[in-house]
Amino acid sequence: DAKTTQPTSMDCAEGRAANLPCNHSTISGNEYVYWYRQIHSQGPQYIIHGLKNNETNEMASLIITEDRKSSTLILPHATLRDTAVYYCIVRVESSGGYQKVTFGIGTKLQVIP
Amino acid sequence: DTAVSQTPKYLVTQMGNDKSIKCEQNLGHDTMYWYKQDSKKFLKIMFSYNNKELIINETVPNRFSPKSPDKAHLNLHINSLELGDSAVYFCASSQDFGSGRGFGDTQYFGPGTRLTVL
Repeated sequence: DAKTTQPTSMDCAEGRAANLPCNHSTISGNEYVYWYRQIHSQGPQYIIHGLKNNETNEMASLIITEDRKSSTLILPHATLRDTAVYYCIVRVESSGGYQKVTFGIGTKLQVIP
Repeated sequence: DTAVSQTPKYLVTQMGNDKSIKCEQNLGHDTMYWYKQDSKKFLKIMFSYNNKELIINETVPNRFSPKSPDKAHLNLHINSLELGDSAVYFCASSQDFGSGRGFGDTQYFGPGTRLTVL
């Protein structure tokens, strides 16, 4: 049901920027792109979201292409604690008309010392 | 202070038993959710409540019955537990249910309850 595609896994050297891509080619004009991550055995954690402008917060930056069909999550200086599964999410409409968050497989990011 | 808390953290029980998992949020949010994460790590929404009213009910066996006594609590009761119910169950909350305003939809998750049915 997920409307996004992400690479299954990625490696990143500690201290380097981690760039996690996501394709959402069927996104509609008013749908936000959300990023969450799940560190092993913990509940998912919100990272960032955006509509069409690039966004930055204390955790990450989100770059959305002009046509909004893809985006990239950037962790500027990856640490070992950033090892997690990263989910790119576009909300979909459930049967009752309410929107729900559907998690796909995500990208397993391994930060290497 | 824990924003979204769940009890118990671990639950081991026999097939056929009835069990409950409790969830509480102190964020003042209107919407709460239950998710199931199976052994393959797929995270799927089960239910969502907004202001104590059920708004999302995915294809879930009717052995699962959520109950929301107030906006801050959403409990999950499971009857006649089966082996396939073994999973990690996550509770979450958000300010609202997806009004399109972006920030209101951000979900905050609890630590999870690992249910093992023997």
